[in-house]
Amino acid sequence: DAGITQSPRYKITETGRQVTLMCHQTWSHSYMFWYRQDLGHGLRLIYYSAAADITDKGEVPDGYVVSRSKTENFPLTLESATRSQTSVYFCASSEGRGGLAQYFGPGTRLTVL
Amino acid sequence: QKEVEQNSGPLSVPEGAIASLNCTYSDRVSQSFFWYRQYSGKSPELIMSIYSNGDKEDGRFTAQLNKASQYVSLLIRDSQPSDSATYLCAVEWGTGRRALTFGSGTRLQVQP
Repeated sequence: DAGITQSPRYKITETGRQVTLMCHQTWSHSYMFWYRQDLGHGLRLIYYSAAADITDKGEVPDGYVVSRSKTENFPLTLESATRSQTSVYFCASSEGRGGLAQYFGPGTRLTVL
Repeated sequence: QKEVEQNSGPLSVPEGAIASLNCTYSDRVSQSFFWYRQYSGKSPELIMSIYSNGDKEDGRFTAQLNKASQYVSLLIRDSQPSDSATYLCAVEWGTGRRALTFGSGTRLQVQP
């Protein structure tokens, strides 16, 4: 039972390149989230999704694009990567009808050179 | 402005002592509160949730909530070196959004 997985776990890219981070969950959770974690800022919400084809902005959405065509997948795309997007990215999911508790994937460490 | 404040620490306690971690939040309408533990290089792991004023106990962990004071805390009894981690407080981000706002975390060190 994999739960929630992210790929790749580590990624190095260059400024201006497009990068897609993948997130997959096997719990059939309705809600999915993308966070970035930086020293001094804690976890900040980038985008979230209530269901397939329903997404909404979080605190820091600029420079990111999401889609959710299937309930189990929630990819995050950096359309033109910048050095300020160097961070650890976490995907999370939660049940729709239950509480708000979120369960996190293992994270992707992204470095933009 | 949504804010969740935590003392960054480190909070150092001897093994077997009680560790007390505190969190304040600014959004008066928040109804749901969570504590996560994060080991270095790992993802956050849910420890406790609390929704009503008062105390909620789960093993060695007790969460305390005071909505009037906008204050939530986590007590860890009989602290163990394996409890050494960063503890994140999370608060519901507005109502109906089903999203959370996280504090920056308090680093706990349990000394053997």
